[in-house]
Amino acid sequence: GAGVSQSPSNKVTEKGKDVELRCDPISGHTALYWYRQSLGQGLEFLIYFQGNSAPDKSGLPSDRFSAERTGGSVSTLTIQRTQQEDSAVYLCASSLAGTGNQPQHFGDGTRLSIL
Amino acid sequence: QQQVKQSPQSLIVQKGGISIINCAYENTAFDYFPWYQQFPGKGPALLIAIRPDVSEKKEGRFTISFNKSAKQFSLHIMDSQPGDSATYFCAASLTGNQFYFGTGTSLTVIP
Repeated sequence: GAGVSQSPSNKVTEKGKDVELRCDPISGHTALYWYRQSLGQGLEFLIYFQGNSAPDKSGLPSDRFSAERTGGSVSTLTIQRTQQEDSAVYLCASSLAGTGNQPQHFGDGTRLSIL
Repeated sequence: QQQVKQSPQSLIVQKGGISIINCAYENTAFDYFPWYQQFPGKGPALLIAIRPDVSEKKEGRFTISFNKSAKQFSLHIMDSQPGDSATYFCAASLTGNQFYFGTGTSLTVIP
């Protein structure tokens, strides 16, 4: 069956430009998560959605980062005025419900490179 | 503060050997402890998970051992195979949605 889909798979852009990353969760999954993974590092939590609302935005590193989710499905993560330190793999995950006992299913990520 | 500490950072094991990866956590309210396997260029995939009311869970060659009093849990891979070479992440979660991940262990299984 279809898994979590992320696009683009790779993005190269110049410092100062805005970027939009897209996540299509598994159909029926109400919870959606964004993480950032820097080279050789663990997963850094960014934001969590339950339906269309974002009860936990605590991981967003600065006000240049924002995310939205429409129709309880697709989510976009936007980074404004990108900086070189934003270079990383951005991973999206979804789960059936926002409880700790539901496994998260990850997409393959968007590899973002800021020149 | 690192909520979940993982060791070792890297591990090299001979084919057929046992791979052991350890994690320690801080928050006694965590109630779900999954392990993820990640291959290069792919997202993490759930491998096995445990709840704190059991001390061990086994699925095939993969076993989680859980020590609630020590706030530690570990992944054991029996009869390690070259195809197991990947990065492994432990995680811990509160009912309530946020997952805390370890920093990962790069496992290499030598044929």
